[in-house]
Amino acid sequence: SQQGEEDPQALSIQEGENATMNCSYKTSINNLQWYRQNSGRGLVHLILIRSNEREKHSGRLRVTLDTSKKSSSLLITASRAADTASYFCATDDKDSNYQLIWGAGTKLIIKP
Amino acid sequence: DGGITQSPKYLFRKEGQNVTLSCEQNLNHDAMYWYRQDPGQGLRLIYYSQIVNDFQKGDIAEGYSVSREKKESFPLTVTSAQKNPTAFYLCASTGTGTPYEQFFGPGTRLTVL
Repeated sequence: SQQGEEDPQALSIQEGENATMNCSYKTSINNLQWYRQNSGRGLVHLILIRSNEREKHSGRLRVTLDTSKKSSSLLITASRAADTASYFCATDDKDSNYQLIWGAGTKLIIKP
Repeated sequence: DGGITQSPKYLFRKEGQNVTLSCEQNLNHDAMYWYRQDPGQGLRLIYYSQIVNDFQKGDIAEGYSVSREKKESFPLTVTSAQKNPTAFYLCASTGTGTPYEQFFGPGTRLTVL
């Protein structure tokens, strides 16, 4: 079953600008994760934020989580051409036994 | 290097044929997963296995079968009963230390002719 919904579906920005993607979900969660997928490749884990955390940083990535609104955002600062990819959020249901539920993704294009 | 391998990268099959997709991991992970990805969509869970000789159906198991005879291997068979098998198939695994973080293989693109 689909839970997460990313917004926007597609985003095109100039290199050097910041990119913000949003994810909404429906059920109570233990964690929320963001993954990146380059075209035609497997997914790569970027960052995990726990339900009791509000913000987390990793390099140029900043993730926020608002459990009251059941939403998260991923900010990529100072974007680079290599950031061009699709970005997915994944949540777990508290009762899901480690299964993840995936959104449809945001396709990010960084223009040089 | 530790990781997950999937083979082949591209696979073509005729309608009515069964085909098996390979997934092997050397990460010593207990849990393994198979997902299907269609264009512009997220991942949908086909089957998962948390331990050798045990597996459970995911959201879209109809027309698929799996086995887990070894910890390292989790092959997926797409049977002729799967009505729309053309898709990108991804295998993933998780370890006990980080049970939520999934490690993915490079994927197999299956096209039914």
